[in-house]
Amino acid sequence: AQSVTQLGSHVSVSEGALVLLRCNYSSSVPPYLFWYVQYPNQGLQLLLKYTSAATLVKGINGFEAEFKKSETSFHLTKPSAHMSDAAEYFCAVRGNNDMRFGAGTRLTVKP
Amino acid sequence: DGGITQSPKYLFRKEGQNVTLSCEQNLNHDAMYWYRQDPGQGLRLIYYSQIVNDFQKGDIAEGYSVSREKKESFPLTVTSAQKNPTAFYLCASSIQGADTGELFFGEGSRLTVL
Repeated sequence: AQSVTQLGSHVSVSEGALVLLRCNYSSSVPPYLFWYVQYPNQGLQLLLKYTSAATLVKGINGFEAEFKKSETSFHLTKPSAHMSDAAEYFCAVRGNNDMRFGAGTRLTVKP
Repeated sequence: DGGITQSPKYLFRKEGQNVTLSCEQNLNHDAMYWYRQDPGQGLRLIYYSQIVNDFQKGDIAEGYSVSREKKESFPLTVTSAQKNPTAFYLCASSIQGADTGELFFGEGSRLTVL
């Protein structure tokens, strides 16, 4: 069965610094992987998705993620953090009939 | 605009009462889902439906029930049998059989048991 593990429940960065949120996956078949963002008391919004077309995936708000099969990873990055990036981020993998989510990483951005 | 509408946004319930959370979508999606979110646990699947008049249990279906009488609607009932119902509930939908498989989410309903 497919699953994802997010390393680090909380990440804190300074405004303008690199953002790196880590995600490792487990899948017996080529995975479809996703990153979502959630602001307080709201639903989840898709940031980007990997569907095997390209290993480096660009998403909204300047985020990108790289699929590395050898490391079973799909880490999310952004070169320069903005205050508006403060939110919770979820990595997810598509299952046969549903989507499996990691536990989430809360990103704090310090001025 | 197409999207998913969940209501109510906030709901308070006394112990022993059943409550129903509404989820409506106008995206013409075949598949719909209910997830429960608790702090530090991510999202856990309660029920999903791939087609009208059919639905399957997810990982934590005990104490919950659903129906899928119309393509657009997938209401969730939290019954008195659910031992710890206080949580944030998210409804989602997707295109059945699509290669991308992304889920589209509603804004959520926060249930608090008093």
